[in-house]
Amino acid sequence: EAGVTQFPSHSVIEKGQTVTLRCDPISGHDNLYWYRRVMGKEIKFLLHFVKESKQDESGMPNNRFLAERTGGTYSTLKVQPAELEDSGVYFCASSRGGGPSGANVLTFGAGSRLTVL
Amino acid sequence: KQEVTQIPAALSVPEGENLVLNCSFTDSAIYNLQWFRQDPGKGLTSLLLIQSSQREQTSGRLNASLDKSSGRSTLYIAASQPGDSATYLCAMGTGGFKTIFGAGTRLFVKA
Repeated sequence: EAGVTQFPSHSVIEKGQTVTLRCDPISGHDNLYWYRRVMGKEIKFLLHFVKESKQDESGMPNNRFLAERTGGTYSTLKVQPAELEDSGVYFCASSRGGGPSGANVLTFGAGSRLTVL
Repeated sequence: KQEVTQIPAALSVPEGENLVLNCSFTDSAIYNLQWFRQDPGKGLTSLLLIQSSQREQTSGRLNASLDKSSGRSTLYIAASQPGDSATYLCAMGTGGFKTIFGAGTRLFVKA
């Protein structure tokens, strides 16, 4: 099966501009997650979709970040306006299911590297 | 606060050496523990997944253990090779579908 696909692989923008990152999960995976790693720190959770609904968006840093998953397929993460501290690698992951049984095995994409100048 | 700590932050070993990477976590109510590998400029590759009911998992030269009572996991790499050079990440799966990552251990295997 095809893996999790992220686009673009690298984006360089100026402070104040807008960037939209896209993630295509594995087909059939209802759960989609966004994570990011900034400035060499740990990878941090941003939010979790179940199909098209936001299950948990507690990790979203502020209202400059907007994530959508229309139709429950691919997802976009928009940063508007971008700030210098938003630079980092944004990872998307998907999983088929979840729950205590441990089906919540995440498959990660290659990441989208964002550089804000 | 749920935290995952990895020690050491970096490790350099000669080829052929057996090595252990350590991971500690603060939440004994974890659902699973995953070890990932990340190569420079690449995504995360899942190496091993240990469910909370399990104590260890093995894949080839890799063996991961889980001790919930002490809040520790180890990744054992046997007969290390230069191709094993990468950053290894430990991640704790929680009941809230969040995965908490450690900062990683950068491994360099010298030929």
